[in-house]
Amino acid sequence: AQKVTQAQTEISVVEKEDVTLDCVYETRDTTYYLFWYKQPPSGELVFLIRRNSFDEQNEISGRYSWNFQKSTSSFNFTITASQVVDSAVYFCALFNNAGNMLTFGGGTRLMVKP
Amino acid sequence: DAGVIQSPRHEVTEMGQEVTLRCKPISGHDYLFWYRQTMMRGLELLIYFNNNVPIDDSGMPEDRFSAKMPNASFSTLKIQPSEPRDSAVYFCASSLASPTWEHSYNEQFFGPGTRLTVL
Repeated sequence: AQKVTQAQTEISVVEKEDVTLDCVYETRDTTYYLFWYKQPPSGELVFLIRRNSFDEQNEISGRYSWNFQKSTSSFNFTITASQVVDSAVYFCALFNNAGNMLTFGGGTRLMVKP
Repeated sequence: DAGVIQSPRHEVTEMGQEVTLRCKPISGHDYLFWYRQTMMRGLELLIYFNNNVPIDDSGMPEDRFSAKMPNASFSTLKIQPSEPRDSAVYFCASSLASPTWEHSYNEQFFGPGTRLTVL
């Protein structure tokens, strides 16, 4: 069985603050993928990043960065200099290569206030 | 490409009625997934198809739910009879299949969802 835990259900920050969204996963597989999706108030799910279990390099994309730590089974997401448009629910997800299953965490609602 | 298309976008119905949700995956995609999102349970995978064949329906909550994929470009999720606890947003997603491990997962593209309200 696999599980994704996003302990922070809701985070509120003021614009321009940095914010980190935590994600911890459990899986027995040695081969897996991790994802972050964004769900803005409009409701659609927007893909942000995919990471495979053999690539622990951190990644930066503009104001977004991701820290993958296999030793602690964590895949945290940091937004630098947050903006109001970053307000959304963010989901971390784990893909089981063998079963073709995408398991989502409970999501973290981020509110960025002006 | 138009992306994954779902219809209707919103559905309001009364308890006991039959509800049919529709999905058109991205052309050429081999996999199709149905998810349900609720406040209580978050995002849950209900069922997925590979080349129109249901592969895993262990997430389907009960016999009132059924899903079909008669061809590569169309799938339905039916609830009969509907109940108020079925109220949720239902997402359809599709992805490609790849032959090599390095690309053995392809990103799932999600549709806009159908917001179902059962009164």
